[in-house]
Amino acid sequence: TQLLEQSPQFLSIQEGENLTVYCNSSSVFSSLQWYRQEPGEGPVLLVTVVTGGEVKKLKRLTFQFGDARKDSSLHITAAQPGDTGLYLCAGTNAGNNRKLIWGLGTSLAVNP
Amino acid sequence: DSGVTQTPKHLITATGQRVTLRCSPRSGDLSVYWYQQSLDQGLQFLIQYYNGEERAKGNILERFSAQQFPDLHSELNLSSLELGDSALYFCASSFTPDTEAFFGQGTRLTVV
Repeated sequence: TQLLEQSPQFLSIQEGENLTVYCNSSSVFSSLQWYRQEPGEGPVLLVTVVTGGEVKKLKRLTFQFGDARKDSSLHITAAQPGDTGLYLCAGTNAGNNRKLIWGLGTSLAVNP
Repeated sequence: DSGVTQTPKHLITATGQRVTLRCSPRSGDLSVYWYQQSLDQGLQFLIQYYNGEERAKGNILERFSAQQFPDLHSELNLSSLELGDSALYFCASSFTPDTEAFFGQGTRLTVV
């Protein structure tokens, strides 16, 4: 059962455009992480958000955790070809037996 | 460099064979995760160990097994290999079971 849904699944844009990708669930998470993965490489952690409503910025990337801690978004401003990759979200489920639950990712292509 | 080391990087083997994938976690990390990633299934959680003990099981087949040794390195054993087992296998480590995971570069397994 896929508990974290990411949208869109694929996104192809031109350099300089803005974009937002989403990570949604019906479950509450104690924290949520965003990773970026390049072809043939392992996912690399970008950010962790833990508080409902939290906003974190990483240069041109803005991450937001939903107030209810069930969803998150990643906004990229003025996308560059170097932003190309698979963006994965993963949430740590609330409760006693905590584990990371993964979305399937958004594959982003930024064309020069 | 995430600090997580996986060997080998590439592996080509025939159906019916058995292989062992090795993972050395980041220094100080107690938790090790194994993931399988294929194009159609995304990143699938297989199994997690914490300080030598199995912590959580995901979609791991009975033909697959893993263990974490006293020095905290881990091995994933895949037996009776089938064509459909061809995928990228990632190891990740974290300090505790619910903190950020850092990924190795993966082992690309091709079953022919």
